[in-house]
Amino acid sequence: ETGVTQSPTHLIKTRGQQVTLRCSSQSGHNTVSWYQQALGQGPQFIFQYYREEENGRGNFPPRFSGLQFPNYSSELNVNALELDDSALYLCASTPPGGETQYFGPGTRLLVL
Amino acid sequence: KQEVTQIPAALSVPEGENLVLNCSFTDSAIYNLQWFRQDPGKGLTSLLLIQSSQREQTSGRLNASLDKSSGRSTLYIAASQPGDSATYLCAVTYNNNDMRFGAGTRLTVKP
Repeated sequence: ETGVTQSPTHLIKTRGQQVTLRCSSQSGHNTVSWYQQALGQGPQFIFQYYREEENGRGNFPPRFSGLQFPNYSSELNVNALELDDSALYLCASTPPGGETQYFGPGTRLLVL
Repeated sequence: KQEVTQIPAALSVPEGENLVLNCSFTDSAIYNLQWFRQDPGKGLTSLLLIQSSQREQTSGRLNASLDKSSGRSTLYIAASQPGDSATYLCAVTYNNNDMRFGAGTRLTVKP
């Protein structure tokens, strides 16, 4: 069984650009959550998608947006990148009726 | 404000020691609490999940307790091994699916 995968693994962008990060959930998992983890900090909840609908959102501005596809894979889009957006972005999937989140390895984004 | 604090921030122990990691949270209206392990530059691995109605969970050498009324949880690691070296994160989930993490405790177990 394939676990949660994320792409790309690393990314460098410049301020003002836009970025799309991708996540493939574990087989059968219909809920995907995204987190931002700055260096030396715990992850911060961005939002969650359940069956293609947003199902909860943390304290992030609207330039952070997401999408979930019928196969439950997901995208995180960030517009107008700022230096403080540099972080490890983590995706986690949850099985139907479950509570444990299974995390991917993350995408490390550097904004210059 | 829903905050999660972990103490200590870093801990170094010799192999074989038993140790306790602490987690406190300001809003006790939690849905559940989880302990995760994170290796450098990697994603998180769930270790234990405690429902708000439970007091503790055990898995192998790990035992996590929850005192919801006082807003505290502890993770007890018995007979520590060098392979236990990692950052341990505590996270509480509220009913809006918002999972709040602490900043973690960086554990080093010396051979």
